Amino acid sequence: AQKVTQTQTSISVVEKTTVTMDCVYETRDSSYFLFWYKQTASGEIVFLIRQDSYKKENATVGHYSLNFQKPKSSIGLIITATQIEDSAVYFCAMREDNYAQGLTFGLGTRVSVFP
Amino acid sequence: GPKVLQIPSHQIIDMGQMVTLNCDPVSNHLYFYWYKQILGQQMEFLVNFYNGKVMEKSKLFKDQFSVERPDGSYFTLKIQPTALEDSAVYFCASSEGTGVAETLYFGSGTRLTVL
Repeated sequence: AQKVTQTQTSISVVEKTTVTMDCVYETRDSSYFLFWYKQTASGEIVFLIRQDSYKKENATVGHYSLNFQKPKSSIGLIITATQIEDSAVYFCAMREDNYAQGLTFGLGTRVSVFP
Repeated sequence: GPKVLQIPSHQIIDMGQMVTLNCDPVSNHLYFYWYKQILGQQMEFLVNFYNGKVMEKSKLFKDQFSVERPDGSYFTLKIQPTALEDSAVYFCASSEGTGVAETLYFGSGTRLTVL
C-alpha cells in the first residue's frame, strides 16, 4: 500500500533564507506522481509543484524546487528566498496509477518564516 | 489558480442529525473528490465522483455517506445519520481530466463538529 512520510513536524527560518523539507514515499508502482501543497492559515490548500516519476530532472516553479531522489523514494521541497507569507503547512502527496484512489498525503510540515 | 469553494466553512450539529456539505468545483472540471482530515492526522481519501457516479470509495466512506451533483449544481457530501467520529474537516477537490497525472485543486474545507 502507498504511504507518504514527512518526518519534520515544524521548521522555523528567517525570511530571505532557504528552507528544505523532507518527504519519503512507498509505492509498488513504477509510474507515479508526486505533489506538494501548501495550507495557509485560512485553511486554503494551494497546489505548488509536482514531479512525475519518469522525469529525471527536478521540477522548478518560481521559488519552489524539488529534490527528487528516486532510488531513495524521496521528494524534498526547497523554497528559496523565503517570505513571511510562505508561513504555512506544507503537504507532500503521491498519486499512483490507480488514479481513482486519489492522493495519499503526508502529515505535513509547518513552516514559520520570521523577519 | 483555480478555486474550489466550500460552503459552509463550519458546521455544528447534534449526533444523529443529517448534514450536507457543499462544494462548488472549478467550472470546467469533471472529477470531484472528498477528503477527510481529523485533527492532527493525515488528510485521507473518501470518494471520487465522475459523470454522476461514484468511481471509487475508501473504507472511510461509510454507508451513512452519500455524494451527488444534481444538474451541475453543488457537489455535495451528505452524512445521515451523523456520528461523533464524523467530526473532522472535509475537503472537496476537483480535477479537469481523468488521468492519474491530473492535479487536484482543493477547497478550504468545512469543519464539521458533531456533538
